[in-house]
Amino acid sequence: KAGVTQTPRYLIKTRGQQVTLSCSPISGHRSVSWYQQTPGQGLQFLFEYFSETQRNKGNFPGRFSGRQFSNSRSEMNVSTLELGDSALYLCASSLVGTSGSYEQYFGPGTRLTVT
Amino acid sequence: GDSVTQMEGPVTLSEEAFLTINCTYTATGYPSLFWYVQYPGEGLQLLLKATKADDKGSNKGFEATYRKETTSFHLEKGSVQVSDSAVYFCALIESRVTGRRALTFGSGTRLQVQP
Repeated sequence: KAGVTQTPRYLIKTRGQQVTLSCSPISGHRSVSWYQQTPGQGLQFLFEYFSETQRNKGNFPGRFSGRQFSNSRSEMNVSTLELGDSALYLCASSLVGTSGSYEQYFGPGTRLTVT
Repeated sequence: GDSVTQMEGPVTLSEEAFLTINCTYTATGYPSLFWYVQYPGEGLQLLLKATKADDKGSNKGFEATYRKETTSFHLEKGSVQVSDSAVYFCALIESRVTGRRALTFGSGTRLQVQP
């Protein structure tokens, strides 16, 4: 079974621009979560989508948004980029079932550099 | 809120040495606990998990036991290899009580294994 895929893998943008990142979950997984990883703040939760609805949201400004499509693929968008948005953005998919463990499987990430 | 505390790194060991990486947590309710590993330039790989007290997760020679009384989930391996060099993250999800399916991560511990 194919793993979580993310595109693009690397991205360089200029301050003030916007960016869209894409994530395809493992087949059959309906939950997609996004995380930001930086050296200073570590791994931080951005949001989770399930059945095309945002279920949970982390403590990030409204410039960070996302959506999920009917095939469970997800995109996240960052508008008005700031230098501090430079990070590795990780997507994770999960099979939400009755076991309650909710383990998440991660993609390789998109490395965003804002100049 | 929920939190995870890991021992500071880097941890430097010789090949075949015994490994322990300490992890303690604070959580509402009954979290599931995880260890993830990140190799350079890659995303996170799920290493092992435990969903209830006294559960032992194991994979690839690594083990960790869910200790509710000490709120700990220490990672151990009897004999490390150079290929185990990576960053290890302890994490939890507490969803049964909070309904929030978001991983809370520790700060990560870098392991360097020397031949």
